[in-house]
Amino acid sequence: DVKVTQSSRYLVKRTGEKVFLECVQDMDHENMFWYRQDPGLGLRLIYFSYDVKMKEKGDIPEGYSVSREKKERFSLILESASTNQTSMYLCASRRNEAFFGQGTRLTVV
Amino acid sequence: DAKTTQPNSMESNEEEPVHLPCNHSTISGTDYIHWYRQLPSQGPEYVIHGLTSNVNNRMASLAIAEDRKSSTLILHRATLRDAAVYYCNLLPGQNFVFGPGTRLSVLP
Repeated sequence: DVKVTQSSRYLVKRTGEKVFLECVQDMDHENMFWYRQDPGLGLRLIYFSYDVKMKEKGDIPEGYSVSREKKERFSLILESASTNQTSMYLCASRRNEAFFGQGTRLTVV
Repeated sequence: DAKTTQPNSMESNEEEPVHLPCNHSTISGTDYIHWYRQLPSQGPEYVIHGLTSNVNNRMASLAIAEDRKSSTLILHRATLRDAAVYYCNLLPGQNFVFGPGTRLSVLP
């Protein structure tokens, strides 16, 4: 019954590495979203996409990019990971109601 | 952009009803009111949504004011498992941006 799958539950990367966080949904949704969640700061929208090859910046896009080559897959890219990108990352997709993945806890050391 | 405001926290006793309010005075005519909740250590999950009429599902009820400037999520009998952060969103108006939500504590 899994609907939104994030590639890793936990990830540890080194400063300066290029990091890919993958999100796949099996519901044929057009809309997909990436958030990060930090204690005391809540869920913050990084990027979203309304269609294949389309992307829109959210509230905190700096230091991130995204890729949507296929409808079911939305990738978040950290071009050069930094310690302040240590966070929980959540992916979501929706047509009407939204479905979220279980999250990827990324630690950058 | 339309904005929602919710109380930071609420408390309820187990097996009692809970009414979680949300104000959205700048809602547009095409915005749907969505509610999500996030249990500890999990991603948010959908609870309910509506446009104008009150809505019921197996999880909760949504009461929408006649002028649509506020809504209330109703949990009919709170259980310990309902302890979570509850988020009220307007879609598409808020572009799926989340506010801080309401942290609901359920006391045994």
